[in-house]
Amino acid sequence: RKEVEQDPGPFNVPEGATVAFNCTYSNSASQSFFWYRQDCRKEPKLLMSVYSSGNEDGRFTAQLNRASQYISLLIRDSKLSDSATYLCVVNLEYGNKLVFGAGTILRVKS
Amino acid sequence: DTGVSQDPRHKITKRGQNVTFRCDPISEHNRLYWYRQTLGQGPEFLTYFQNEAQLEKSRLLSDRFSAERPKGSFSTLEIQRTEQGDSAMYLCASSLVNYEQYFGPGTRLTVT
Repeated sequence: RKEVEQDPGPFNVPEGATVAFNCTYSNSASQSFFWYRQDCRKEPKLLMSVYSSGNEDGRFTAQLNRASQYISLLIRDSKLSDSATYLCVVNLEYGNKLVFGAGTILRVKS
Repeated sequence: DTGVSQDPRHKITKRGQNVTFRCDPISEHNRLYWYRQTLGQGPEFLTYFQNEAQLEKSRLLSDRFSAERPKGSFSTLEIQRTEQGDSAMYLCASSLVNYEQYFGPGTRLTVT
């Protein structure tokens, strides 16, 4: 079983749509959680950290369910510029190595 | 630009040759990480340093791979006797202790 599992997609959505991505992780000792965004042939860029209480940054909302070992990302009012691969990331000890999922591809179309 | 930088950005080499990549972290960051990414996969951890000390190495880091951070600033990753399976994007990231990691643009290695 992979340490971090994501639906690879692709998710093809129209502009303005709301889209949700899910991710599960296998190690219950995982301490910190993130969503990174990666554009084609570019480096991953931190989108947001994920907290147990849930957190929101503009059109993006992240949720963490430690009991189910489940992380989600919700994007509202999708823009063409949101098209990218979204990587779910966990680590066991804050500041140490990151464990990445394989990513979920999002394509937003006009 | 004060972000993480990597050099070269692209490297094409023949099987059996040695290659070396360099990473310059964000200047105040004391942690530096190396990852490898192949097509369709997320990055996989290779190794990391805190200052000049190499604190962890992945099983992925075979004896053909060596990484150094001699003065606790820039780091080098060397691959000896390259194989076609080494073809990948090699990513460097840096952070302060217990803070988020920021990635450089990567070095894309192609082994022919």
